[in-house]
Amino acid sequence: TQLLEQSPQFLSIQEGENLTVYCNSSSVFSSLQWYRQEPGEGPVLLVTVVTGGEVKKLKRLTFQFGDARKDSSLHITAAQPGDTGLYLCAPGWDTGNQFYFGTGTSLTVIP
Amino acid sequence: DAGVIQSPRHEVTEMGQEVTLRCKPISGHDYLFWYRQTMMRGLELLIYFNNNVPIDDSGMPEDRFSAKMPNASFSTLKIQPSEPRDSAVYFCGSTERGFTDTQYFGPGTRLTVL
Repeated sequence: TQLLEQSPQFLSIQEGENLTVYCNSSSVFSSLQWYRQEPGEGPVLLVTVVTGGEVKKLKRLTFQFGDARKDSSLHITAAQPGDTGLYLCAPGWDTGNQFYFGTGTSLTVIP
Repeated sequence: DAGVIQSPRHEVTEMGQEVTLRCKPISGHDYLFWYRQTMMRGLELLIYFNNNVPIDDSGMPEDRFSAKMPNASFSTLKIQPSEPRDSAVYFCGSTERGFTDTQYFGPGTRLTVL
């Protein structure tokens, strides 16, 4: 069974703190996407990482793809209440394979 | 563009009733998909269409669920008969060229089956 485990499942932090969430699998992926879903809305794509070891930055968010392309991390610097949401990773889709999302990390940033 | 449009936003029905959820994808997008989200199972892909043709419906939980896409601008997800365990948020989304593209999601339909 394909599985993308995300950790931690829940995270509650104070505004201004730093945090890292993880997306892990035993499978190798051609690419990996990160989405954020705010309460009451659908997921929104944040970034796609493609190359092993790749690092992408989106303002205070830093995404890294593992060297072996089996895992990824998302680091948020100086978290703000607007970062609150469910963070989902999803593997690159190869035609013929089933698409799926990871288990998700629910982040709450307290003002 | 108005984005992906879903209706209704909320639906409350009684067990055994038929439920129809509607979706209008972004114009020009060739792929449309339906997801279901629950606390227990997360965000699950139910079915997706390419150029109005169902490609993979392996995520559809059982025969009570059916989806159609009669044209490029409209799709429905129907549950008949509905059961309390179908209560969830159902999302529709679309992309231009498949899952490797940016997926644009609608706001979802929150379904409650009593």
